[in-house]
Amino acid sequence: NAGVMQNPRHLVRRRGQEARLRCSPMKGHSHVYWYRQLPEEGLKFMVYLQKENIIDESGMPKERFSAEFPKEGPSILRIQQVVRGDSAAYFCASSRPGQGYEQYFGPGTRLTVT
Amino acid sequence: AQTVTQSQPEMSVQEAETVTLSCTYDTSESDYYLFWYKQPPSRQMILVIRQEAYKQQNATENRFSVNFQKAAKSFSLKISDSQLGDAAMYFCAYRSGGGNQFYFGTGTSLTVIP
Repeated sequence: NAGVMQNPRHLVRRRGQEARLRCSPMKGHSHVYWYRQLPEEGLKFMVYLQKENIIDESGMPKERFSAEFPKEGPSILRIQQVVRGDSAAYFCASSRPGQGYEQYFGPGTRLTVT
Repeated sequence: AQTVTQSQPEMSVQEAETVTLSCTYDTSESDYYLFWYKQPPSRQMILVIRQEAYKQQNATENRFSVNFQKAAKSFSLKISDSQLGDAAMYFCAYRSGGGNQFYFGTGTSLTVIP
């Protein structure tokens, strides 16, 4: 049973470009969570999605960031017009419905903005 | 918002010895979960142990055990018979029973000395 998959593992973007991070949840999991880890810090919640629905985006910056989890395919975290401060590791986690206390994390995507 | 505090940025332990990592949290809720995650250099977040607040018995997973003091809002991790492979960042995390997100501490970097 494959775990949570994220790609790419490493992404380099220049300032002003767009970054797209993908997350495929574990089989049987329909809930996805995105977290960001800045250097020397713990993970910070960004957004929680179910298929075709954003449930909680209280941790998402108001501008430039968006997330989706379509009916088919992976969840996508999109960052438009990236800035140096967006450089971080972005982790995705997934859970079964009703089991949000058991979140399984992917290996993360390390975004570097040059 | 709930806060999770890890007051030890770095810890070290001799191989085969025992080490305890500290974590305190702040919450007004009675239903919640507490976690310890390990993050090795690969950056993969690995669940070490989970504790449900309603359970008085401390959770144990092989060489890993916790000391859960609900009244003091303390949740420490004890690693017995430390091994070189235990070297990693360790994050304490909190999730309320009805919430969506995990709240993470800033982590403790554990070094295991051969």
